This record gives sequence, C-alpha cells and structure tokens, in this order.
Amino acid sequence: AQSVTQLDSQVPVFEEAPVELRCNYSSSVSVYLFWYVQYPNQGLQLLLKYLSGSTLVKGINGFEAEFNKSQTSFHLRKPSVHISDTAEYFCAVSVNFGNEKLTFGTGTRLTIIP
Amino acid sequence: GAVVSQHPSWVICKSGTSVKIECRSLDFQATTMFWYRQFPKQSLMLMATSNEGSKATYEQGVEKDKFLINHASLTLSTLTVTSAHPEDSSFYICSARWFRASTDTQYFGPGTRLTVL
Repeated sequence: AQSVTQLDSQVPVFEEAPVELRCNYSSSVSVYLFWYVQYPNQGLQLLLKYLSGSTLVKGINGFEAEFNKSQTSFHLRKPSVHISDTAEYFCAVSVNFGNEKLTFGTGTRLTIIP
Repeated sequence: GAVVSQHPSWVICKSGTSVKIECRSLDFQATTMFWYRQFPKQSLMLMATSNEGSKATYEQGVEKDKFLINHASLTLSTLTVTSAHPEDSSFYICSARWFRASTDTQYFGPGTRLTVL
C-alpha cells in the first residue's frame, strides 16, 4: 500500500513571498503524483501531475513541483504567492495510470498574509 | 470543459432517513466515478469506485448496505446514505474520470455537506 505525508498542516506566507509545500510518499512500486487545490466550499482542482519524463512539472497558477525519487518527495513551489492562493493543498499518489484510486495526504492550508 | 456537478450542495436530515446525492459529469462521459468522504481538517478517503453499468467496488471498511452507489449512465452516479446517523455527517465528494488519448484525469465535484441530526 502507498501513503502520503504532508508534514505541514498550515503554512502562513506573506504576499509576494515564495512558498514550498512539502509532500513525501511511500510506495513499493512506481507511482504517479498529483497536487490538488481546494478553495473554500469547492471541490478539488488539479494543479499539476507527474506521470513520467521530466522531474520538474509546471502547473496552473504559476505552481511547479519537482519529483525526487531518491527522497520520495514531490514538493510544490511557487516563487511569488498572491492572496488568491489561499486554499487547502492536497498531495496525492496513484499506482495506476489513469489517475485511479488516489491516496491523498492530509492537506496543507496555505494562508497568504497581506 | 470537464465540469462535475453535485446535488445537493448541502443537506440536513433526521437520523434514520435516507439521503441521495447525485454526481454528474456535465460535458464529458465518465465510465468511472469515485466517491470520497472528507472529515473536518482531514484528507479525502476513497469510499468506492463506480463503473457504469456494473456494481461499485467498495474500499475496505465501507459498508455496502449503508452507502448504496448506482452508476446508471455515463454522466450520472448516485450515492444513497441509507438510515443515516449523526456519525455519517461528513463532506462527500465525487470525481469523474475522463479518459482521453492524451490524458486521463479525475475531475472533482464541489462536494455535498451532509448533516444528520
């Protein structure tokens, strides 16, 4: 079975500052990795995903993530955050191509401070 | 494109009643839909996988008779919480899998908040 750890439950960041949200995973087989964002009272929206190829993945809203197999990590980064980035961010893994049976982390609440 | 809707967005019911939640893919056909449950300040837990025209596959620990899932068409899946009790109160989220040649992604609905009194 696979698992996902998001060590930081809350991350406060000043507006226009950079941010990194950490995600580590555990799996005995190869995985596909995802980051989702959940705005208040809304469903999840896919930010980016890593399936194969380049380990640096660029997503929507200026976010990017880097897959590090040796460290089993998939940290999410943004060089300059905006108030509108305030949301809950979930890292997820799947061992099946096709985005099936996602295993989610517990989420990180990103709060942007004006 | 790729919009998934859920209805209702919130529902309050009395203990012992049944509640039906609908999940629709509005602009694509979804052979597979997933149902998740999210507790406050916790992650999403997969409850079941729903395939059109066949029985749902439930995750370990999820009561099949309590959470009835029907995937009657390529755009609609329903979750019925039968004889609901306060411990069933939660945020239920569905997702629909859109399989295309170039990509294969789950699209999530906005969720349904169920409160059982």
